[in-house]
Amino acid sequence: EAQVTQNPRYLITVTGKKLTVTCSQNMNHEYMSWYRQDPGLGLRQIYYSMNVEVTDKGDVPEGYKVSRKEKRNFPLILESPSPNQTSLYFCASTIAGAPLSQQFFGPGTRLTVL
Amino acid sequence: GESVGLHLPTLSVQEGDNSIINCAYSNSASDYFIWYKQESGKGPQFIIDIRSNMDKRQGQRVTVLLNKTVKHLSLQIAATQPGDSAVYFCAEKTGNQFYFGTGTSLTVIP
Repeated sequence: EAQVTQNPRYLITVTGKKLTVTCSQNMNHEYMSWYRQDPGLGLRQIYYSMNVEVTDKGDVPEGYKVSRKEKRNFPLILESPSPNQTSLYFCASTIAGAPLSQQFFGPGTRLTVL
Repeated sequence: GESVGLHLPTLSVQEGDNSIINCAYSNSASDYFIWYKQESGKGPQFIIDIRSNMDKRQGQRVTVLLNKTVKHLSLQIAATQPGDSAVYFCAEKTGNQFYFGTGTSLTVIP
């Protein structure tokens, strides 16, 4: 089954404790992206990657890191999480050819930072 | 930053009626406009997109209209069904980045 998977689905952590949220897709997509979703703010793009070893900042990259060492994986790293990073996170992927709009989203990771 | 907004946060329609969800955008340089549907507890799901040089595009039971003069985007759902109940997001694509609106919650009344 074609899908985007995220792990963990739920995470409660404390301020400053480094964490990684994994994202994997089995559709051979070049483009991958991370979003956060907060009430009243919709989805905001954190980082995206056009292909292996190519990553770019989205609208809200502060406090996050990403890497793209393999085509299928795009982990989101929070080196020192803070309470304002409490949010619902989505990973998405699509083929790199225009228009990129048909993104496939993962099920989401709900992160709480205490 | 981008500004993509919605006219109404909630919309209720009778089953079988047509639904219209509206969206305003701000960046004239965006090349695609997209509608996503998000059901409770799930990730967004692509519905339909429209290129900036078009003004109308139809899909299965859905139509997207783009009015560049007033920077307005709308999604029309024909014969709305209970399964259409969800939050609908508009988004605009500028380069390789995406900017989403805040969403409209559609409730279908049986």
